[in-house]
Amino acid sequence: DQQVKQNSPSLSVQEGRISILNCDYTNSMFDYFLWYKKYPAEGPTFLISISSIKDKNEDGRFTVFLNKSAKHLSLHIVPSQPGDSAVYFCAASAGGGADGLTFGKGTHLIIQP
Amino acid sequence: DAGVIQSPRHEVTEMGQEVTLRCKPISGHDYLFWYRQTMMRGLELLIYFNNNVPIDDSGMPEDRFSAKMPNASFSTLKIQPSEPRDSAVYFCASSLEGRWNSPLHFGNGTRLTVT
Repeated sequence: DQQVKQNSPSLSVQEGRISILNCDYTNSMFDYFLWYKKYPAEGPTFLISISSIKDKNEDGRFTVFLNKSAKHLSLHIVPSQPGDSAVYFCAASAGGGADGLTFGKGTHLIIQP
Repeated sequence: DAGVIQSPRHEVTEMGQEVTLRCKPISGHDYLFWYRQTMMRGLELLIYFNNNVPIDDSGMPEDRFSAKMPNASFSTLKIQPSEPRDSAVYFCASSLEGRWNSPLHFGNGTRLTVT
């Protein structure tokens, strides 16, 4: 049973526009959420995170929004750039431990020129 | 820092053979994780170590899988005997504190193909 779900396997966005990647979770014990980015033939790299005590965290062009009541988070990339083309993984943790990270299956973001 | 180093990058082997994957974590990181990525199941945690001690191996699929960390700078994941369903990308990751705000640093993975 997938506790972290990324329902869009792929997303295509025009360069310069906003990219919105979505993630849903089912475990109400999750209290930390992270996004990782992965290029082909490389390992995932950490992008941005948010604690459940917040509903928004911003880092440059990347913003993560958390809606606890809906058990939903989203990653916004504005403006989208060609280098943003990658697979994005949503991950969640309960109790603050990296050992308990549960990953979604990923969304492949394609930035069109 | 060179980051997490995994070897080999690619491994092709026949069913029944023993496979050993290797990992060198980032120096000073106390936590080491082994993940497996497949299309069907995404990224799954297999096992993790803290200060070279295995803490949770509940993700290891079968007794055919074993992992060791003889010292702070080296870990192995062994599959014996290997089966075609073990074909996947295996990632090693390390972190400083094992907490969510101490992000995982992943290696570039080993792509295993078992024929």
